[in-house]
Amino acid sequence: EAGVTQSPTHLIKTRGQQATLRCSPISGHTSVYWYQQALGLGLQFLLWYDEGEERNRGNFPPRFSGRQFPNYSSELNVNALELEDSALYLCASSLRDSYYEQYFGPGTRLTVT
Amino acid sequence: AQSVTQPDIHITVSEGASLELRCNYSYGATPYLFWYVQSPGQGLQLLLKYFSGDTLVQGIKGFEAEFKRSQSSFNLRKPSVHWSDAAEYFCAVGASGTYKYIFGTGTRLKVLA
Repeated sequence: EAGVTQSPTHLIKTRGQQATLRCSPISGHTSVYWYQQALGLGLQFLLWYDEGEERNRGNFPPRFSGRQFPNYSSELNVNALELEDSALYLCASSLRDSYYEQYFGPGTRLTVT
Repeated sequence: AQSVTQPDIHITVSEGASLELRCNYSYGATPYLFWYVQSPGQGLQLLLKYFSGDTLVQGIKGFEAEFKRSQSSFNLRKPSVHWSDAAEYFCAVGASGTYKYIFGTGTRLKVLA
């Protein structure tokens, strides 16, 4: 069974640009979660999508947004990039109603210069 | 407020030695507790979880953890460490109905040959 996949592996952008990160959940999983892992700050919850709807978001500004597609894959968009957005962005997925059984992908390393 | 503390940022042990990684949490209700491992360049892998019942939980890769309500702790243990256990370990806490998943800042384990 294929795990959670994320693309791209690495992304380099300049300040002010937009970044788009993608995630494909495990087959059968309908919930997708996004986390930011910045150096020294640990894992911070960003967004949770289920059945195409945003269910919850963490304490991040509106320039962090995303969506979930009918096939349950998801996209994270970060607008007006700032240097402090440089981090590893992790996507996780779970079965519906199994919020605490999350399976993580390998992440996308975003570097903002 | 809900929080998780991993007091040790770095731990170094010799291969074959025993290991204990500390995790303390703060939460009013009975929490859901988790340990994850992250190898370099990889996403997080769930080692074990505690929801209720037996306070000694067995996980994958020979790890176990014990929930001690009186000490608000959920320490991870392994009787004999292997070089492949070198990684970063995260403790996390959640609670039913809150859909909040708080991660500790992690403990980086180094294993000496």
